[in-house]
Amino acid sequence: DGGITQSPKYLFRKEGQNVTLSCEQNLNHDAMYWYRQDPGQGLRLIYYSQIVNDFQKGDIAEGYSVSREKKESFPLTVTSAQKNPTAFYLCASSFPVTGENYGYTFGSGTRLTVV
Amino acid sequence: KQEVTQIPAALSVPEGENLVLNCSFTDSAIYNLQWFRQDPGKGLTSLLLIQSSQREQTSGRLNASLDKSSGRSTLYIAASQPGDSATYLCAVRTSGTYKYIFGTGTRLKVLA
Repeated sequence: DGGITQSPKYLFRKEGQNVTLSCEQNLNHDAMYWYRQDPGQGLRLIYYSQIVNDFQKGDIAEGYSVSREKKESFPLTVTSAQKNPTAFYLCASSFPVTGENYGYTFGSGTRLTVV
Repeated sequence: KQEVTQIPAALSVPEGENLVLNCSFTDSAIYNLQWFRQDPGKGLTSLLLIQSSQREQTSGRLNASLDKSSGRSTLYIAASQPGDSATYLCAVRTSGTYKYIFGTGTRLKVLA
C-alpha cells in the first residue's frame, strides 16, 4: 500500500543536540512538506519541496534544515538553534501544487521532546 | 493573507445526533479545501477534498459543502457515533500558492 512513513514515532533531544526526523513516501508525489503542530495552534509550515534538489522555507524555518536528494525522502533536521523544539512534527506530500484536484497525504507524525 | 477559522473549538453531542462543523476563510480565491480528522497523538487523515469548482462532496455519513462567495465550508456528520470522536481540521489552499492554511480544529466528543 502507498503511504508516508515517519520515524521515529517518539524522539528525545538533549540541549544543544541536532536530531533528524525521517519522512519517506511511496506515492510518487512530487511535493513534500514539513509542518509543526503545537497545542491550541494550527499547523505551521516549516519547509517544503516541489522537486528533487530544491526546497523553500516556510513560515517558521529558523532552527531547522532539510534536504531533498531523492523524490521519496525529505528528512528534517532540528538544530540546536531551534530554541523551543518540543512539538509534534508532521510530514505531508502531494502531486504538483498547481492542480486543484490534489490534496495532502500526511504521515503519522513524530513527537519530539527536549529533555 | 488567508486566515482560516473553525467554530466551535470543542463540541460534545450524544450518540446518534446529526451535527455540523464550520470552517470560514477570508480569501475566496482558492484551489480547494480539505477536511481532515486527527485522533490524539496521530497524523491527519484526509476525509474529503472539495475543488473550487464544486459545491459539495460526500463520503459515507460525511458531507462537506463549499460556498466560496461567503468564505464558508461545513462538514455534516450524520448519525454520529462514539468512533467519530476526534479533532476535525479544515485546510484551504489559496490560488497561486504552494501550501495549505489550517484552522485550529474542532474537538468533537460523541457520548455513548
